[in-house]
Amino acid sequence: DQQVKQNSPSLSVQEGRISILNCDYTNSMFDYFLWYKKYPAEGPTFLISISSIKDKNEDGRFTVFLNKSAKHLSLHIVPSQPGDSAVYFCAGNTGKLIFGQGTTLQVKP
Amino acid sequence: SAVISQKPSRDICQRGTSLTIQCQVDSQVTMMFWYRQQPGQSLTLIATANQGSEATYESGFVIDKFPISRPNLTFSTLTVSNMSPEDSSIYLCSVKEVLSGANVLTFGAGSRLTVL
Repeated sequence: DQQVKQNSPSLSVQEGRISILNCDYTNSMFDYFLWYKKYPAEGPTFLISISSIKDKNEDGRFTVFLNKSAKHLSLHIVPSQPGDSAVYFCAGNTGKLIFGQGTTLQVKP
Repeated sequence: SAVISQKPSRDICQRGTSLTIQCQVDSQVTMMFWYRQQPGQSLTLIATANQGSEATYESGFVIDKFPISRPNLTFSTLTVSNMSPEDSSIYLCSVKEVLSGANVLTFGAGSRLTVL
């Protein structure tokens, strides 16, 4: 039972454009959600979170949107930069984190 | 945030052998978490390691296969026992912190194991 799904394994975007990474979930008990970024040979690093009672959280170039009725969240990166190229994981929290499979973002110069 | 060091960073192991991964944190923490990331898969929680008590294992993971030690508040080890090629994964140690008002996990760089 995969409670958190990232259905797009990869995404390619031109530098300066918007990157939109999507995540769907099935567990209504998640009380908040997180996005992590992972570079090769490094551990995942925390990027941004959103409480389940919010519908938007913004931090600089990163904005996360939550649509509870659709059980869907998305991470927007604007403008995208080549240094954003990494694997992005979304995760839901129920006291422990449940991760999606990840989406590899490539930002082309 | 906490700084987590893991050793080894990578290793190539023979089938049937065991390997112990070490995790050192630069601050005292109550709980440490061990995750596994199989190739192309998500991060899966193996167990939670509490100092002074036995680790708590998630469904599908057992102590005989993944024994964990937690001798103090800054250190933990995970052993992958009697390895098979299916154990080829990245193993990650993590601790819980409050960042930007949320409880988040901070991860070490991981230990990439390849089992031949």
